[in-house]
Parts: sequence; structure tokens; C-alpha cells
Amino acid sequence: RKEVEQDPGPFNVPEGATVAFNCTYSNSASQSFFWYRQDCRKEPKLLMSVYSSGNEDGRFTAQLNRASQYISLLIRDSKLSDTATYLCVVTNNDMRFGAGTRLTVKP
Amino acid sequence: EAQVTQNPRYLITVTGKKLTVTCSQNMNHEYMSWYRQDPGLGLRQIYYSMNVEATDKGDVPEGYKVSRKEKRNFPLILESPSPNQTSLYFCASSHSSGGATEQFFGPGTRLTVL
Repeated sequence: RKEVEQDPGPFNVPEGATVAFNCTYSNSASQSFFWYRQDCRKEPKLLMSVYSSGNEDGRFTAQLNRASQYISLLIRDSKLSDTATYLCVVTNNDMRFGAGTRLTVKP
Repeated sequence: EAQVTQNPRYLITVTGKKLTVTCSQNMNHEYMSWYRQDPGLGLRQIYYSMNVEATDKGDVPEGYKVSRKEKRNFPLILESPSPNQTSLYFCASSHSSGGATEQFFGPGTRLTVL
């Protein structure tokens, strides 16, 4: 079993849609959680950290469920510019990346 | 501009021909690491360095070497490349280790070994 698992997608949604990604992790001792965004043929960049109480950054909301060992990312009012691959990252002294979920937002 | 640079960006080589991919950061970061990214597998860590002259193996170190003689540079060396090392490589740096701080990635090096 992979340490960090994500649905690879692809998710194809129209502009304005709400889309949610989930990610599960196997190490219950994991301490920090992040979502990174990776555009096609580009490097990953930090989108947002995920806090225990949940957190929001504009149209993006991240949630953490430690008991079930999953994190989620909700994108509201999708824009064309949200098209990218979203990487779930879980850390416990080192970073473990999920394989990514591909999102395409269409006009 | 704060950044991580890698060179070359693209490289096609043949089996057994030694190569080096350079990585440099200008943010005075202590922690640097190398990843490879393959379809369906995500990013896997090859080697990391917590500071100058301190390097350690990641998850997939076989066939690779690194060095950290200066804080800003962290080259990746393939002594005898093989086709299974064809991949997209990313160098990254962060202020500290432990994964609690943001990692900044270089633009990537796409390597093909024939």
C-alpha cells in the first residue's frame, strides 16, 4: 500500500463547478499536511498547508481528518486557471508525495 | 529573485556515460533534496542534505550520488546512467528539514537515457 494515495482522476469540470479531492495516508504519526499544485511540465508549488481545524484560502478549503487519516481539498467556483495536478503531501520528518490528481476546468 | 535553478533542463544521453545535474539555491536554505517523478508514482526522494557536508539516502538512492560542499549547491551525479533512470528530476530546498516548512522546487530536468 502506498503511503499517500490519491485518486488520479482526471477530473474534468466546467467553469464555476465545485470539485473535491481526497487523499489518504497510512502513517498515523504524520505531523504536517500540504497541498501542492503542479502545472503541466512545471515544478510543484505550495498551494496551502492543511491544519487540524481546517482552513480556507479564497476559493480553496482544506480539511484534515486524523482519525480516518485523510485530507481533502475543495475548490469552489472553478476557474480555467485551476487546471493543474494537485499533489497531496504528508510529512513525518520527511515529505511523502501522492501521485497527484489531475484537474481540467473547461469553458 | 529567490529561486532554485537546475541545469541542464533537458538531457538525452546513452547508457554508461557519466553525467551531473547541477542545482543551486539563493535563499540560504539549509535543507536540499533531489526527487524523481515518474507517471503514477509521484515524487520519490533520491537523496537529501540537511546542511553542508551532511547528505543521506532517500527512498530511491541506487545509481545516484550527491555532494554538498557549499550551502547553495547540491549536484546530482549519475556515474553510469541506465534506461531505468529516465525520468523527470526535481531539486528542492527549504529553510529547515522535517517537512514542516515549504519546499521550493527547481524547474526540473528531463533526462532520457538510451
